[in-house]
This record gives sequence, C-alpha cells and structure tokens, in this order.
Amino acid sequence: NAGVTQTPKFQVLKTGQSMTLQCAQDMNHNSMYWYRQDPGMGLRLIYYSASEGTTDKGEVPNGYNVSRLNKREFSLRLESAAPSQTSVYFCASSVGLAPVETQYFGPGTRLLVL
Amino acid sequence: AQSVSQHNHHVILSEAASLELGCNYSYGGTVNLFWYVQYPGQHLQLLLKYFSGDPLVKGIKGFEAEFIKSKFSFNLRKPSVQWSDTAEYFCAVNAGYGGSQGNLIFGKGTKLSVKP
Repeated sequence: NAGVTQTPKFQVLKTGQSMTLQCAQDMNHNSMYWYRQDPGMGLRLIYYSASEGTTDKGEVPNGYNVSRLNKREFSLRLESAAPSQTSVYFCASSVGLAPVETQYFGPGTRLLVL
Repeated sequence: AQSVSQHNHHVILSEAASLELGCNYSYGGTVNLFWYVQYPGQHLQLLLKYFSGDPLVKGIKGFEAEFIKSKFSFNLRKPSVQWSDTAEYFCAVNAGYGGSQGNLIFGKGTKLSVKP
C-alpha cells in the first residue's frame, strides 16, 4: 500500500496562475482532507470530504476549491494563486468521518507563489 | 471555538534527558486527543491518541501522554530522548460529534532538537 500520495511535491506559481493539487489514497478510506501548514501556525483545515460526493469547508477555505473525484481521489484547486497561499499542503484520509478516526497524512506539496 | 495551545515553540535537550511537551485545549465537552510527529522532511505520523478509558496513553517509540480532564491538558512525555526523536510534535483535538466532525484542531507545534 502506498497510503496517501500527493502530486506534485513542489511547485512554483506566479500570482494569478491556477493549479490543482492531486491527492489519492489506496486504503479504501471514506473521508479525505486538505490542510495547509505554515510556520508557527500548525495545520489548518481547508476542506474535507466526509464521503464520495460530499465536500465541506474547514477553517480556511477562501481561495480554494475541491473536488472529490471518486473514493480514492480528492483534489485541491487554486483558481488564482496569491502569495498568501505559499505554504505546504497536506492531504489526509481516514476510514470515516468521526472524531475517533485516525487521519493518515500524505508527504505534502510545497507551494511557492511569487 | 476550540483551540489547542502548545506552550513550547522549541525545546532543546541532550540525549537521555526526559521530555515533557505541554498541550492544553479549550473545550468543555467530550474530546478526542492526538499527538502527531513530523520528522524532518517527512509527513505527519500518529504517535498516540486518547479516546476514552485509561487517561495514561502509551504510543510508539516509548512516548506516552496523560489526559488530565480537570486541567484540559494532554502532555506528551518520554523518559529518555534519543537523537532520532528530533522532530516537530503537534497536539490535536477533535471535540464531540457536532459541526465539523472531521475537524482536527492542531496546535502550532513544538520543535524538539536532541543533541547527541
């Protein structure tokens, strides 16, 4: 099992450009998440998907959109990148959407917006 | 709103020293508590978790944490650290079943540097 995979690993964008971060999991998990990690801020939830076909906003959704393409894949889209979106983005998944479920994280995508 | 406070931003210890990292949360109801670790260049991994039962939880690599409900705390401990424990440690809380059920609230993290 590869677990949670993310592509790309690193990306540089210019302000205003768009891009999609890809995430896939092979653990047959129902729930998937996108976080951003900034120095001194910990991880903050952007969006999550309780199950295939549903998505919900997290703590910091502005400037992002998501698509739960199927059970395995959950993508994060930046329509018009801004320097404030420079961050490390982590995808995670869990068996189900309940407080007791452990989330498993991917390796992260480091994004630099100039 | 729920929040998680990790008191130490950066802790520097020598090998074999004992470790205690503080974590306090703000929520009065039922909580589920987690400690995650991020080794340099790697993704987050679960160290241990508390859902219910014995408030002293043992995790991987000799780590343990104690849930003290009256103090809203879930401090991480290890009796003797190793150089390989150098990492960033994150406390996280998920409270109850209402609202954003999947929402883990993370603390800002504590960097641990262990000197050989």
